[in-house]
Amino acid sequence: SQTIHQWPATLVQPVGSPLSLECTVEGTSNPNLYWYRQAAGRGLQLLFYSIGIDQISSEVPQNLSASRPQDRQFILSSKKLLLSDSGFYLCAWSVQDRAFFGQGTRLTVV
Amino acid sequence: SQQGEEDPQALSIQEGENATMNCSYKTSINNLQWYRQNSGRGLVHLILIRSNEREKHSGRLRVTLDTSKKSSSLLITASRAADTASYFCATDRWDSGYALNFGKGTSLLVTP
Repeated sequence: SQTIHQWPATLVQPVGSPLSLECTVEGTSNPNLYWYRQAAGRGLQLLFYSIGIDQISSEVPQNLSASRPQDRQFILSSKKLLLSDSGFYLCAWSVQDRAFFGQGTRLTVV
Repeated sequence: SQQGEEDPQALSIQEGENATMNCSYKTSINNLQWYRQNSGRGLVHLILIRSNEREKHSGRLRVTLDTSKKSSSLLITASRAADTASYFCATDRWDSGYALNFGKGTSLLVTP
């Protein structure tokens, strides 16, 4: 069966520090992969999507970047975090219309 | 961009009652889905309804879709305290690797 792992679950980082969130998928090949961000009490905003290795598309201009070095690995990064980067980050993959989500990372930038 | 809008934003009911949440969207869709999110957790897929379907059932869940009004509803019958969560509708986006547009969600509280 397919599973998705996302870590860490929580993270507190100072302003200006780098960020690396990792997501891996098991049990499927060539999945579409996504990074979403959820602000408090809000819906999900699509940040990045990837339809293949090294094929990354960004939805909105921002302080973040994404990479897909392997078929089932998706990484969200920042060189210097801003206070506004705080939020709940969710990795997901999809097949046949359905999306499967990781458990999320609560990022607090202080 | 967010396309779906859920209504109400928050709903509080007692166990055994039915809960109805509504969703409106703006553009044409291939399908509409409902997801559930427990506090501080990832989203879990509940049900998918295709644009050529009008109603779908899954256990205590009933989803309707009215493409002429660009709206959908999720009915949870005989609610339980364990149904307490946020519920989101999502529409497909063919132009972004089949990502989903999510609404802001309805926060459901079911009290014993």
